[in-house]
Amino acid sequence: KNEVEQSPQNLTAQEGEFITINCSYSVGISALHWLQQHPGGGIVSLFMLSSGKKKHGRLIATINIQEKHSSLHITASHPRDSAVYICAVTGGSNYKLTFGKGTLLTVNP
Amino acid sequence: DSGVTQTPKHLITATGQRVTLRCSPRSGDLSVYWYQQSLDQGLQFLIQYYNGEERAKGNILERFSAQQFPDLHSELNLSSLELGDSALYFCASSVVKGSENTEAFFGQGTRLTVV
Repeated sequence: KNEVEQSPQNLTAQEGEFITINCSYSVGISALHWLQQHPGGGIVSLFMLSSGKKKHGRLIATINIQEKHSSLHITASHPRDSAVYICAVTGGSNYKLTFGKGTLLTVNP
Repeated sequence: DSGVTQTPKHLITATGQRVTLRCSPRSGDLSVYWYQQSLDQGLQFLIQYYNGEERAKGNILERFSAQQFPDLHSELNLSSLELGDSALYFCASSVVKGSENTEAFFGQGTRLTVV
C-alpha cells in the first residue's frame, strides 16, 4: 500500500464545474504539498499546508490532520486547469517528498 | 519561473554510457533534492543535499551519484545507463532552516532517453 493515495486517478469535467481531488496518507507528516504538472512536464508547487485551509485564486486546499486527509478544490474550472495534480507529504525531520501517483484532470470547453 | 535551473532539458544517450545532469538552485536555497519520474514508478525521491553535504538518501541506485558544490549547484551522475533509466529527472530546492518545513521549488526537469 502506498503511503500517499490519491483519488480519482482520472477526472474529466466540463468548463465551469467545481472539481475536488482527494489525498489520503498513512504516515505522520509535517506538511502536505499540492503540485501541478502540465503536459510539458514542469512541476509547479501550488500549496504547502500543515493545518486548516489555504486559498489562491480559484484553488483551495484543505487538510484534516486527524483524518490524514487533504482535498484540492478548483472552482469554476477552465481548460487551462488541465494537468496532473500531485499530492506529496514530508514527515518529521526528513524533508524529502513522498508522492501520490497523481490525478489527471481534463477540463473540456 | 521557479528560479531553479536544470540542464540539459533533453538528453539522448546509449546504454552503458554515463551522463551528468546539472541543477542550479534558487538564490539563497541551501537544500537540493533530486527526483526521478518514470512512467511505471511515478515520482520518486533519489537524494538530498544540504549546504554541500548529503542529508537523505532514497531509492537511488549504486550506479547513480550526486554532489553539491560550494556554490550550491548540484550534479547528478548516472553511469552504466540502462533502458530502464529513461525518465524525467527533477531537481528541487528549498531553504530548509532547522525543523521548519519550507516549500520546494522545482526545475523544469531533464528528460533522459536511453537507447
